[in-house]
Amino acid sequence: QVQLVQSGAEVKKPGASVKVSCKASGYTFTSYGISWVRQAPGQGLEWMGWISAYNGNTNYAQKLQGRVTMTTDTSTSTAYMELRSLRSDDTAVYYCARDGSERFLKDWFDPWGQGTLVTVSS
Amino acid sequence: EIVLTQSPATLSLSPGERATLSCRASQSVSSYLAWYQQKPGQAPRLLIYDASNRATGIPARFSGSGSGTDFTLTISSLEPEDFAVYYCQQRSNWPGTFGQGTKLEIK
Repeated sequence: QVQLVQSGAEVKKPGASVKVSCKASGYTFTSYGISWVRQAPGQGLEWMGWISAYNGNTNYAQKLQGRVTMTTDTSTSTAYMELRSLRSDDTAVYYCARDGSERFLKDWFDPWGQGTLVTVSS
Repeated sequence: EIVLTQSPATLSLSPGERATLSCRASQSVSSYLAWYQQKPGQAPRLLIYDASNRATGIPARFSGSGSGTDFTLTISSLEPEDFAVYYCQQRSNWPGTFGQGTKLEIK
């Protein structure tokens, strides 16, 4: 079955970086993209950005520009999200979700990874 | 940016009752709207896409309707496992936006 499995929980200090992985299985990885969505404790869903596993194109949320980098490794069907200069308000559960292979495709997020809790605390 | 407003924020109902959740867009999104269900400690799950199409494996008691700016998610007869938070998402204007969610709780 189509599945996304994410890396485990992380605890980081303010100013550090975190890199979360998302391993895909059950489908042709390069035929789709991956979006990353985060959810602060008790809050709603915030889209962070998207990467095409087809051609590596990316698009990031404006508020995260300069701090986030999304990459893929097609040899292992794995997507990565790195967030730098962490602050306390970056504490959240980070999700990957399968998305369209190109920008502007009106695909839906299905399925989602199980989520990775990133805690930023001194 | 298209803003999605979900109502009510919290809906208290009993198993067996009918649930009606609303999502209103600040401008037309045509039929480019989806609904997701999120249970505590779990990732969101796609329920409805393109406003009215059930995703794979979603029970028939879930239905979506609407187009333009007003959308509804209906659960015809609530099962205990349906109590969760529901989010709408639009993709008319890429990359899309989410509503703030409706919490469906047991009365």
